[in-house]
Amino acid sequence: DQQVKQNSPSLSVQEGRISILNCDYTNSMFDYFLWYKKYPAEGPTFLISISSIKDKNEDGRFTVFLNKSAKHLSLHIVPSQPGDSAVYFCAASEGSQGNLIFGKGTKLSVKP
Amino acid sequence: DVKVTQSSRYLVKRTGEKVFLECVQDMDHENMFWYRQDPGLGLRLIYFSYDVKMKEKGDIPEGYSVSREKKERFSLILESASTNQTSMYLCASSSIVQGLEPQHFGDGTRLSIL
Repeated sequence: DQQVKQNSPSLSVQEGRISILNCDYTNSMFDYFLWYKKYPAEGPTFLISISSIKDKNEDGRFTVFLNKSAKHLSLHIVPSQPGDSAVYFCAASEGSQGNLIFGKGTKLSVKP
Repeated sequence: DVKVTQSSRYLVKRTGEKVFLECVQDMDHENMFWYRQDPGLGLRLIYFSYDVKMKEKGDIPEGYSVSREKKERFSLILESASTNQTSMYLCASSSIVQGLEPQHFGDGTRLSIL
């Protein structure tokens, strides 16, 4: 049973517009959420995180929103750039030291 | 900057061979992890270790073992390689300090079993 779901395998966005990547989870014990970005032939790199005591965390062009009641989080990238084209993984854990459970990823393509 | 180094970027082995994948981190992290990444399946945890000599099974440990003799090094062993173990293998490390410390990943080893 998938505990972390990214239901969109791919997303295409025009450069300069907003990219919204979505993630749903089923385990109500998850209280720490992260987004990773992965380019081909490279390992995932940490992008941004949020704990369950917050509903929003912002870092430059990247903002993560958490809706605990809906068990849903989203990553907003504004404005999108061609260099943002990558696979984005959502991950969750119980506590900041718990094992991460990853979603299957969403491939973002930002077109010039 | 944290550096997680995996010994090989690409590896080709034959069915039945014993395969060793090596991972070294330079940040004195206590935690180390091995994942595999397959298309449409995301990252799945194989084994992890919270300390030297300690190991814990992840979600898909069958067919694998690990070794952690030194804090900085975590090895993944395929006891008898099979074609369904063809995959991208990713090593990660993290610290146990309090706070939102993320896992840091190596660049991966793409392993092909023929």
